[in-house]
Amino acid sequence: QVQLQESGPGLVKPSETLSLTCAVSGYSISSGYYWGWIRQPPGKGLEWIGSIYHSGSTYYNPSLKSRVTISVDTSKNQFSLKLSSVTAADTAVYYCARPVAGTRGNWFDPWGQGTLVTVSS
Amino acid sequence: QSVLTQPPSVSGAPGQRVTISCTGSSSNIGAGYDVHWYQQLPGTAPKLLIYGNSNRPSGVPDRFSGSKSGTSASLAITGLQAEDEADYYCQSYDSSLSGYYVFGTGTKVTVL
Repeated sequence: QVQLQESGPGLVKPSETLSLTCAVSGYSISSGYYWGWIRQPPGKGLEWIGSIYHSGSTYYNPSLKSRVTISVDTSKNQFSLKLSSVTAADTAVYYCARPVAGTRGNWFDPWGQGTLVTVSS
Repeated sequence: QSVLTQPPSVSGAPGQRVTISCTGSSSNIGAGYDVHWYQQLPGTAPKLLIYGNSNRPSGVPDRFSGSKSGTSASLAITGLQAEDEADYYCQSYDSSLSGYYVFGTGTKVTVL
């Protein structure tokens, strides 16, 4: 059974870089699949941030593309998110999840439990 | 930034049937891309409820069903139970510049 677990600082200062890691258990990232990040501001809806293939190919939300970097470390079986120049608008619960390929579009399953990141000085 | 529109809330008494709509456009649902649904219980991560418009993952009760037509999709919950009180989100793929994966605005289901 695939399980994902996010980790990283819960507080980031404005203008700095948010960094999170998602540890994968129950499956070897190097075996395949895409892996992704999704966020949810408090009391609001879900927003896809980006996804990475085990080979390192990445796809980002155009609205965040200039600030986002997603990378994968197959030796540690984990992937990471970096979001630069953060503002209060980036305060959210950040989830890692696995996109599953469908015939006409992918869905996300499973999800990590999520980690709250607050942007504040 | 949501490009899929859902009603903010729906409610029903235990045992009743409720439906949640998800309205998109010609660049996502209307383009033939599948719709998927997630249930988010209070304080927890979203959980896959329906994939590929109408398929239930193992363990999801058959009280939950999905359908799609044109530029919209729907999630139906029959025999509503107290444990179904949660937020529900639809999700699809969008071929425009708004991004690859798009989510609905979310619907709060309240069991009266």
